[in-house]
Amino acid sequence: GESVGLHLPTLSVQEGDNSIINCAYSNSASDYFIWYKQESGKGPQFIIDIRSNMDKRQGQRVTVLLNKTVKHLSLQIAATQPGDSAVYFCAEDNNAGNMLTFGGGTRLMVKP
Amino acid sequence: NAGVTQTPKFRVLKTGQSMTLLCAQDMNHEYMYWYRQDPGMGLRLIHYSVGEGTTAKGEVPDGYNVSRLKKQNFLLGLESAAPSQTSVYFCASRWGLSSYEQYFGPGTRLTVT
Repeated sequence: GESVGLHLPTLSVQEGDNSIINCAYSNSASDYFIWYKQESGKGPQFIIDIRSNMDKRQGQRVTVLLNKTVKHLSLQIAATQPGDSAVYFCAEDNNAGNMLTFGGGTRLMVKP
Repeated sequence: NAGVTQTPKFRVLKTGQSMTLLCAQDMNHEYMYWYRQDPGMGLRLIHYSVGEGTTAKGEVPDGYNVSRLKKQNFLLGLESAAPSQTSVYFCASRWGLSSYEQYFGPGTRLTVT
C-alpha cells in the first residue's frame, strides 16, 4: 500500500511541541467521527473516535474536539514525536455506521 | 490474529484485463469494505457488505463488482480494467452495529496501463 500523494496540506512541528490538526465535516446529521493515522506504505490505523453527543474525548496523548455548531473536528497530539509523522484523516458517519466519508487528509511532519 | 490481509500487494494490468482482489479477515467481523485511495484524495468507498451473502454500493461503485460468499472473505473484481482504476485499494472490516471502528488491511497497489 501507499500513503497519499503530493498535494496534501502539511503541518510541520518541532519534536516535543503539541500538534493540532483540523477537519471540517460536511453533514450536520453525522453522529460519529473518527481519526485515522496513515504511515507511508501502510493502511489507515485507528487513533480515536467521538460521538456527536460529546464535545471532547481524550486518549493517550491525543484529544479530539468536536464543535457541532461550525461542523469542525480537531485532533490534538501532545508532545509530538517523530513516530507521529504520518497523514491524518478524519471521517464522519451519517448512515448508521454503514459508511464512513473520509476527508482529504493532513500530512504531519515532525522535526527532530 | 493476522487481522485484515489483502492479496496481491501489487499488480499491473493492461487495459481490458480482469482481476480479483482478495480481502480476508480473521476477527469474525460482520462488516467489510473496499476503498480506493488516489493521490491528493482521501479514501472513497467502492462497495461494502453488512454480512455474509450481502453487498451494497458505496460512493464510487462503477466498474467494480464484489462478492461475500464467506464471512471472512470479501472479493473485489474488475471485469475490464481501465487506466482510471489505477489506485491503491484498501479493504477494511468492522465488528458490527455496536462498534463503528474499521480495521484496515495494508493495501493493494494496482496500475492499469
